[in-house]
Amino acid sequence: DTAVSQTPKYLVTQMGNDKSIKCEQNLGHDTMYWYKQDSKKFLKIMFSYNNKELIINETVPNRFSPKSPDKAHLNLHINSLELGDSAVYFCASSQVPSGGPNEQFFGPGTRLTVL
Amino acid sequence: AQSVTQLDSQVPVFEEAPVELRCNYSSSVSVYLFWYVQYPNQGLQLLLKYLSGSTLVKGINGFEAEFNKSQTSFHLRKPSVQIRDTAEYFCAVTSSGNTGKLIFGQGTTLQVKP
Repeated sequence: DTAVSQTPKYLVTQMGNDKSIKCEQNLGHDTMYWYKQDSKKFLKIMFSYNNKELIINETVPNRFSPKSPDKAHLNLHINSLELGDSAVYFCASSQVPSGGPNEQFFGPGTRLTVL
Repeated sequence: AQSVTQLDSQVPVFEEAPVELRCNYSSSVSVYLFWYVQYPNQGLQLLLKYLSGSTLVKGINGFEAEFNKSQTSFHLRKPSVQIRDTAEYFCAVTSSGNTGKLIFGQGTTLQVKP
């Protein structure tokens, strides 16, 4: 049983195209995240949703638009793809208790290559 | 603002030798600390976490870490590494009230040689 799943695992596309990455979690968590891992393996948060509400929106180009149809899903749509968007994108989820944070469970990642 | 510094980008070590991966953090508020491991072409897996209580935290696969508030450190240790421990290791910090956002260090590549 996969806890956090992402599709597709690999995505190769041309500059200027629009693409989406889907994420689903079956852990019953109420918070989901998108992280970007660059070619130097540095991980940086992009967005976070809590119960379908956007709570974190880091300095990300507005070509990136997250969408959460329900609390088990958080999709990432990217318009007008650029070479610099090439990276591995990770989805994560957690249950954030009122007393503080908790661990995040990560998906397997989506390797996006823009040609 | 919070930040995390992993002092070693690569750590080569022989099989069955001890290892320490260093992590220092900067924060003006109380922190929660995590170590994640990323095996090649895989997602991140939690090794261990410090939320409160005992400063010595034991995790999976024989790893442990010690939270040192005065030195703002959270170094990861294992007394005897195996080939299968070869992976990328990430230290991360967050604090209460920041919606669970994790700030990651740059990562340390642990390379275990036979």
